[in-house]
Amino acid sequence: AIQMTQSPSSLSASVGDRVTITCRASQGIRNDLGWYQQKPGKAPKVLIYAASSLQSGVPSRFSGSGSGTDFTLTISSLQPEDFATYYCLQDYSYPLTFGGGTKVEIK
Amino acid sequence: QVQLQESGPGLVKPSETLSLTCTVSGGSISSYYWSWIRQPPGKGLEWIGYIYSSGSTNYNPSLKSRVTISVDTSKNQFSLKLSSVTAADTAVYYCASRIAVTGTSIAYFDYWGQGTLVTVSS
Repeated sequence: AIQMTQSPSSLSASVGDRVTITCRASQGIRNDLGWYQQKPGKAPKVLIYAASSLQSGVPSRFSGSGSGTDFTLTISSLQPEDFATYYCLQDYSYPLTFGGGTKVEIK
Repeated sequence: QVQLQESGPGLVKPSETLSLTCTVSGGSISSYYWSWIRQPPGKGLEWIGYIYSSGSTNYNPSLKSRVTISVDTSKNQFSLKLSSVTAADTAVYYCASRIAVTGTSIAYFDYWGQGTLVTVSS
């Protein structure tokens, strides 16, 4: 199975900050990667698919980049509603595997 | 708007079989991939497996020997059975639909159920 390593596992940031989360795959996965946001007690919600495509309805402050083994999720200006846990998910091969998650907390 | 709703017992005894059903409303279960994903309390997400509306399946090898996913298109439902459960199977179980466009990198989970907590305990 492809291992997805996410970093950091947690971070503290202030409203308005630029936040970057990275995900590294144990082997090349082309651009078959998505990013999901999960708030406490809720199901995850897709933000980005195919590494850089913004899901409909998701604010443009979210962006994704990368290809191969290294990927990045960037929040250009953190908003109060963005405090959540973020997961990457590789769609390249089965079994589908998630990263360990990054919890974004208020500084 | 497609909605998914998990249902099933919230408490299962060790060594028994966990059974959950996901009911799909607002859309047809045909021509889509339907997955189960779980999340132990305070931990990350684990993909369990999927079933296509035709009945073809794909399971996570880590659970393959214990998992069965089935579909009932007449009821717009799909189900999960996980046998020989232990405390390690205690988790919130989500059902989700996955869109995947053949020949492209377009693939993501678009609709999710609210999740149901299943506790394995005697």
